[in-house]
Amino acid sequence: DSGVTQTPKHLITATGQRVTLRCSPRSGDLSVYWYQQSLDQGLQFLIQYYNGEERAKGNILERFSAQQFPDLHSELNLSSLELGDSALYFCASSVDGFTGELFFGEGSRLTVL
Amino acid sequence: DAKTTQPNSMESNEEEPVHLPCNHSTISGTDYIHWYRQLPSQGPEYVIHGLTSNVNNRMASLAIAEDRKSSTLILHRATLRDAAVYYCILRDLISRAGGTSYGKLTFGQGTILTVHP
Repeated sequence: DSGVTQTPKHLITATGQRVTLRCSPRSGDLSVYWYQQSLDQGLQFLIQYYNGEERAKGNILERFSAQQFPDLHSELNLSSLELGDSALYFCASSVDGFTGELFFGEGSRLTVL
Repeated sequence: DAKTTQPNSMESNEEEPVHLPCNHSTISGTDYIHWYRQLPSQGPEYVIHGLTSNVNNRMASLAIAEDRKSSTLILHRATLRDAAVYYCILRDLISRAGGTSYGKLTFGQGTILTVHP
């Protein structure tokens, strides 16, 4: 158990819909990262937050947005969903976002029908 | 981030050592070599990292070539639980106001390790 909690574990929805994925980082970790894992693209970095502020951006689509709240939990919002958005979405956290290892949650599996 | 090259797959027998190679010929002086692994149906987990010297921890050892263009992750006695995808990743150290920080963690395709009983 990494200490990172992601909800929901599974989500099935239809094209055009909007979903929100939630992540609670390890106690004391200030930085949160979001990754997308699909069969054809592998693990893709989406975005990183540190203490509520965006720190780094990766291959995140404009239809996707994220934020980190004052209590340090984070949400990834996916809108106008397409079939290709079906994937595992991982959240990770680290102590300070600058050094050291990332701790990953077990992921949220999104299926878009 | 600089690119790494790993074999697509490797096989090992239980309780035997496993040497997982990684080539990173374009590594720069500030790149740290990180290894993560992803067990089936789980998120990635940190294994080990190093800069120039060989490193050991409770999970594995990391042997880094003198020219740093390659490295090897060593599992001393493979168990069935070590069956996973192993990722070799370069993270550069960036100077920033107030100190330094690692660049983002960019995963490649990794090596699928199969461990036979």
